[in-house]
Amino acid sequence: AQKITQTQPGMFVQEKEAVTLDCTYDTSDPSYGLFWYKQPSSGEMIFLIYQGSYDQQNATEGRYSLNFQKARKSANLVISASQLGDSAMYFCAMREGGGSNYKLTFGKGTLLTVNP
Amino acid sequence: DSGVTQTPKHLITATGQRVTLRCSPRSGDLSVYWYQQSLDQGLQFLIQYYNGEERAKGNILERFSAQQFPDLHSELNLSSLELGDSALYFCASSASGGPSYEQYFGPGTRLTVT
Repeated sequence: AQKITQTQPGMFVQEKEAVTLDCTYDTSDPSYGLFWYKQPSSGEMIFLIYQGSYDQQNATEGRYSLNFQKARKSANLVISASQLGDSAMYFCAMREGGGSNYKLTFGKGTLLTVNP
Repeated sequence: DSGVTQTPKHLITATGQRVTLRCSPRSGDLSVYWYQQSLDQGLQFLIQYYNGEERAKGNILERFSAQQFPDLHSELNLSSLELGDSALYFCASSASGGPSYEQYFGPGTRLTVT
């Protein structure tokens, strides 16, 4: 079974509008972390936002917020006031457990296109 | 700029050859991770080193090996290369401690095997 599922291969949004990118995850570990990364066409992976499984509040970083619904095992990324530069591939990822094993498991990604 | 450096940026080589990819983590980061991104497999974790020791292994082929040196830089060695090894190889680093352990990725090395 996939641990991270991103069901939207592609999304379109008009500039200045908000967009939600979906992510569901599967884990039986009570301690985990959820991450979103952005990969523009240039290829680099840019860290956007993090949500810990024990965090009481949804994470926010500027125009990015994470809609964390623990019971539904979803961690959707919300981008407000979309900009043309937001056009990129977006990956949801999960880190399970603790200790010093911090490997990330990634979803297949969502390609976001922002239209002017 | 994440602070993680990777060299070379591009690498073109022939089947059967061996290559070495190099990574320098962000200053102070003890953990280094290697990931492979290909069109068919997506982004996959290969291996993690923490302060010189191997800490976790993922879907890394036996033809691939890695190490982390005392100065914390890491190298990923790929041998007996096959066409299917063509991919973007990322190195990432994270700090020990801290609440989130976010991983900061380098710019990647694009490997093309011909």
